[in-house]
Amino acid sequence: GAGVSQSPSNKVTEKGKDVELRCDPISGHTALYWYRQSLGQGLEFLIYFQGNSAPDKSGLPSDRFSAERTGGSVSTLTIQRTQQEDSAVYLCASSLTGTGTEKLFFGSGTQLSVL
Amino acid sequence: AQSVTQLDSQVPVFEEAPVELRCNYSSSVSVYLFWYVQYPNQGLQLLLKYLSGSTLVKGINGFEAEFNKSQTSFHLRKPSVHISDTAEYFCAVIHFPNAGGTSYGKLTFGQGTILTVHP
Repeated sequence: GAGVSQSPSNKVTEKGKDVELRCDPISGHTALYWYRQSLGQGLEFLIYFQGNSAPDKSGLPSDRFSAERTGGSVSTLTIQRTQQEDSAVYLCASSLTGTGTEKLFFGSGTQLSVL
Repeated sequence: AQSVTQLDSQVPVFEEAPVELRCNYSSSVSVYLFWYVQYPNQGLQLLLKYLSGSTLVKGINGFEAEFNKSQTSFHLRKPSVHISDTAEYFCAVIHFPNAGGTSYGKLTFGQGTILTVHP
């Protein structure tokens, strides 16, 4: 596609439920990132994929959070047993090769609301 | 810990006036510096970046920023703003090398500055 696509754009869930957030990166981009944007914490790095591997998952806040990437393309961020503090906008970004000098292309995000 | 401080959470300005959005970062051996912009209901877009070389970098939409190593600053400027510049602006840094000895797009962001341009 022309840009990074995220779905759903909005997700409302009840506390304790599991949610899956999807990211379709720009075709051919080997690097994929998840960030979280919340009122209290600002923009935070969650995880970095290079191909299907995640060499840096240091930003995942707890073991309730997991992510995978398949076929070097689509990525899914899963949050188990959601809590109210998980409410945030989850942003996905991709870049061509993953070097730090590259521009990151961001999606419009998934707004997650945990009631 | 690595950090980025954006000194102003909100900056109101009139159209055609100059603007400066301030950013300071925690010192490191080497850094890459970025400014991203987030327009309402849109994803983040790169405005400009400093990697090395000339300390004055120019970006899209008439924005520029100056890297000052001694002051660990990377302030964003525009000589004359337009209504369409109303957005949230984020300063970000990559400190490298990371633990793996390489650099990748692991950005540390500031808290953001909301620029509001009034007619």
